[in-house]
Amino acid sequence: GAVVSQHPSRVICKSGTSVKIECRSLDFQATTMFWYRQFPKKSLMLMATSNEGSKATYEQGVEKDKFLINHASLTLSTLTVTSAHPEDSSFYICSALRRGRTQYFGPGTRLTVL
Amino acid sequence: ELKVEQNPLFLSMQEGKNYTIYCNYSTTSDRLYWYRQDPGKSLESLFVLLSNGAVKQEGRLMASLDTKARLSTLHITAAVHDLSATYFCAVDIQGGSEKLVFGKGTKLTVNP
Repeated sequence: GAVVSQHPSRVICKSGTSVKIECRSLDFQATTMFWYRQFPKKSLMLMATSNEGSKATYEQGVEKDKFLINHASLTLSTLTVTSAHPEDSSFYICSALRRGRTQYFGPGTRLTVL
Repeated sequence: ELKVEQNPLFLSMQEGKNYTIYCNYSTTSDRLYWYRQDPGKSLESLFVLLSNGAVKQEGRLMASLDTKARLSTLHITAAVHDLSATYFCAVDIQGGSEKLVFGKGTKLTVNP
């Protein structure tokens, strides 16, 4: 099956710093990737759609200046949490769209902001 | 706004028993997904249901879709401990966009 990786798997940072999370599709090209956020024991919430070569589209209520998304190639999308605060602590999951309709999820990145 | 409701949210059952998880959604959609999530892990795809009346089975799990009722079910047959996990259903927000709205998840615990 298709493989999507995320790096890092865990990150702990101090409040006020920025953190970059990478999402890679390892064996297929993905023009579209998605970023989700999951709070403890909660469901996944779609944050934004990452489109290769163009600006990301953000869901309502998601601050685009806070969560910077770059999709520079067909296999890589990055999410940068800028000036992180403890309330940004969460489990971030990306997914990559293969052949337009099949979505493969990464293993997730657990962010803890102290 | 598309809403996806799952019930129950918590399910504790004994090994060998059968049970059904329900997923209702509020607007028309052409795809419904079921995923499994183990603690601290990402999502594992279980089923994709594409049309009214679709039924798919894998091992002790069977999923069905009734698009007219906007209802999907995930039936568990003769549960075993290894099925303990959280199960999510998800629906495509805008037909074909692949933007998914997830239900709140059903945490299943299968007791020996």
